[in-house]
Amino acid sequence: DAGVIQSPRHEVTEMGQEVTLRCKPISGHNSLFWYRQTMMRGLELLIYFNNNVPIDDSGMPEDRFSAKMPNASFSTLKIQPSEPRDSAVYFCASRPNGNTEAFFGQGTRLTVV
Amino acid sequence: AQSVTQLGSHVSVSEGALVLLRCNYSSSVPPYLFWYVQYPNQGLQLLLKYTTGATLVKGINGFEAEFKKSETSFHLTKPSAHMSDAAEYFCAVSEGNTPLVFGKGTRLSVIA
Repeated sequence: DAGVIQSPRHEVTEMGQEVTLRCKPISGHNSLFWYRQTMMRGLELLIYFNNNVPIDDSGMPEDRFSAKMPNASFSTLKIQPSEPRDSAVYFCASRPNGNTEAFFGQGTRLTVV
Repeated sequence: AQSVTQLGSHVSVSEGALVLLRCNYSSSVPPYLFWYVQYPNQGLQLLLKYTTGATLVKGINGFEAEFKKSETSFHLTKPSAHMSDAAEYFCAVSEGNTPLVFGKGTRLSVIA
């Protein structure tokens, strides 16, 4: 298996632009998580899905952030409009049903200038 | 609510010396506990996990951790550090099917 695949690996955008991060979970995994990593706050859970349904989005920082999972093999995290304080590494992770650990993608490093 | 505290944001050891990274957790139910490692510009990779059963858990690359309920701890150890162990280490907790909650991480430096 190729593991969790995230794209792009790096994104540089100007303040105010829309940013879309993409994630393909491991086939057969039914839970998907979006985390954000910063020096100040560490790894924060933004949102997670179970069987494509959003279960908890309380970690989404503002209405500028939205996430979707239209099917079992694809999820997006969108920021509109982006701000410099959104600069961080965004990780997607997936987990199979009945399992405990999550499997992480390589992350997307977002820089908003 | 679950939480994790990792004592020491940066630990430095000499090559061949004992590695000890500290993790304390808070959980309202019996926890599942994890250690992950992150190399520069990489994602997180599972080192080891505790779910139930034996409290001393062995992982990859010679690491092990011991679950101590009375101390609410899950410290990570390795008898002899290698240069290749230099990385960021994260302790995490979950309560069954809940998402993993991570500590702030400890950066391990290994000095030749």
